[in-house]
Amino acid sequence: GQQVMQIPQYQHVQEGEDFTTYCNSSTTLSNIQWYKQRPGGHPVFLIQLVKSGEVKKQKRLTFQFGEAKKNSSLHITATQTTDVGTYFCVSEGTYKYIFGTGTRLKVLA
Amino acid sequence: DTAVSQTPKYLVTQMGNDKSIKCEQNLGHDTMYWYKQDSKKFLKIMFSYNNKELIINETVPNRFSPKSPDKAHLNLHINSLELGDSAVYFCASSQDWVSQETQYFGPGTRLLVL
Repeated sequence: GQQVMQIPQYQHVQEGEDFTTYCNSSTTLSNIQWYKQRPGGHPVFLIQLVKSGEVKKQKRLTFQFGEAKKNSSLHITATQTTDVGTYFCVSEGTYKYIFGTGTRLKVLA
Repeated sequence: DTAVSQTPKYLVTQMGNDKSIKCEQNLGHDTMYWYKQDSKKFLKIMFSYNNKELIINETVPNRFSPKSPDKAHLNLHINSLELGDSAVYFCASSQDWVSQETQYFGPGTRLLVL
């Protein structure tokens, strides 16, 4: 079945450093979504990418969708302590959403 | 004003008991979901409902029985709880089951089976 792998599984960075998480699929994706889950919280929608090669920015966050629509990345510039949490990429299956394995980000002050 | 609410927030119970978790959304959405998140943070879909009808059951044991009395509610009943059922259960909703919908998650129910 469709699987979405994310790397790395964990990442610790010093505040101010950049961070990137990568999402890879074995199949071509119609679109990809990204969610963030703060510690103790629930997943919250960040963004959706639909077009091949699409790049979207939200302040310090940059999201990319690969040309082949099989991978995606989320890059955070100059991390802050408020960025801590788990970042999930999410793809669509038949009548369901498939969450990636997640990347847990810790930011050290 | 909470968009998706779940009760209870915490649930501690003994093995073998039966328990229910309730979910309500006030967004007017047609589609609702139950997810299970384990200790490693893996989020897995359990059920999808669209307009009160079950559309996805992701090979969840029969001990788990969802019920949707109306579009705004999707409850989860669990029989004969097992240690492995300990997890965080999230309810979510989206406008419809069409492509590219945003999901809105409830705060989660932290279930601990002793």
